[in-house]
Amino acid sequence: ETGVTQSPTHLIKTRGQQVTLRCSSQSGHNTVSWYQQALGQGPQFIFQYYREEENGRGNFPPRFSGLQFPNYSSELNVNALELDDSALYLCASSSGLKGGDEQFFGPGTRLTVL
Amino acid sequence: QQQVKQSPQSLIVQKGGISIINCAYENTAFDYFPWYQQFPGKGPALLIAIRPDVSEKKEGRFTISFNKSAKQFSLHIMDSQPGDSATYFCAAQSWGGKLIFGQGTELSVKP
Repeated sequence: ETGVTQSPTHLIKTRGQQVTLRCSSQSGHNTVSWYQQALGQGPQFIFQYYREEENGRGNFPPRFSGLQFPNYSSELNVNALELDDSALYLCASSSGLKGGDEQFFGPGTRLTVL
Repeated sequence: QQQVKQSPQSLIVQKGGISIINCAYENTAFDYFPWYQQFPGKGPALLIAIRPDVSEKKEGRFTISFNKSAKQFSLHIMDSQPGDSATYFCAAQSWGGKLIFGQGTELSVKP
């Protein structure tokens, strides 16, 4: 069984640029959630995708968008990057929407915005 | 109401001692309470989790105690080891799968 994988591992961008982060969910999982973790903080929920549809969104502006593909892998896109977008971006997969489904996290993508 | 408050922010324990981390929540719709362990540069790893119909759950050296009426839960690490040194996050989840995390506790276990 393959765990959650994310790419790239690290990324450096400049303010105003756009970035795409990728996530492959764990085998058998159809739900992907994205989280932003600033240094020294707990992860903050960005949004969740269930069977290719967005299912819930946290307090993030529309320049944060996403996609889920038929194989349940997912992308997070961030437009017009700001310095405060520098963070570890985490993807988590689970097997459904019901409360109590275990979410398994990938290693994250470290984004630095200069 | 969506917050999960975690304490302490940092904790130093001697090898073999007991590490205790506490969390409190407000939203009674939460029905799943996991704890995650995170090492520097890594993603959070699920450690142990509990549902509110159970007051205690033990897995090896890790125990969750849950007090539904007080809306509090805690993680106990027995016989703490230097390899347990990491950041620990409590979280709460309601139907739909959105996890609300605490601020984290940086645990250091001294040999």
